[in-house]
Amino acid sequence: TQLLEQSPQFLSIQEGENLTVYCNSSSVFSSLQWYRQEPGEGPVLLVTVVTGGEVKKLKRLTFQFGDARKDSSLHITAAQPGDTGLYLCAGVSTGKLIFGQGTTLQVKP
Amino acid sequence: GAVVSQHPSWVICKSGTSVKIECRSLDFQATTMFWYRQFPKQSLMLMATSNEGSKATYEQGVEKDKFLINHASLTLSTLTVTSAHPEDSSFYICSARVPRQGNTGELFFGEGSRLTVL
Repeated sequence: TQLLEQSPQFLSIQEGENLTVYCNSSSVFSSLQWYRQEPGEGPVLLVTVVTGGEVKKLKRLTFQFGDARKDSSLHITAAQPGDTGLYLCAGVSTGKLIFGQGTTLQVKP
Repeated sequence: GAVVSQHPSWVICKSGTSVKIECRSLDFQATTMFWYRQFPKQSLMLMATSNEGSKATYEQGVEKDKFLINHASLTLSTLTVTSAHPEDSSFYICSARVPRQGNTGELFFGEGSRLTVL
């Protein structure tokens, strides 16, 4: 079974700070996705990374896929209270989307 | 993006009763849908894969007789929690993959259904 380890699991920072969330696996994934989920709602897809070494930017969010396609990171620059939520990485394993444990981010004003 | 809708958004029921949750793909046909369960402040755990016209595939540890899944059409999958107990209280989320060329496994998720069993 391919597992995705996310770290940290909880993060509380002040507005304006930068942060990085990591998603690691011992297995190779053909692609990895990052989702954001707010309480009481379903996850919303932020980005999909496919190519090893790929970097994608979404405003203040930067996503990177490791060269070996075993790991990914999400970096947020100048975090804002609106970034608060649960961030999930996910990868496809035997046709099923498997999620990491998630990172709960709280950005204090 | 594609739209997946769940109903009801939240439901409260008495212990021992059964509850049905619907998952619909509104603007595309989904031969496969997935049901996840999420406890507070935890990640999503895959329960089962719902296949149109055939039996669902359950993950290890998920009771198929407890969580009945029916995928009778290309736009509707249902999850029925039978003889619900308080420990079944959770957030249930469905998802579907939009079939398109070069599919990279992206799923679109429903809004989730909050089940509370008293």
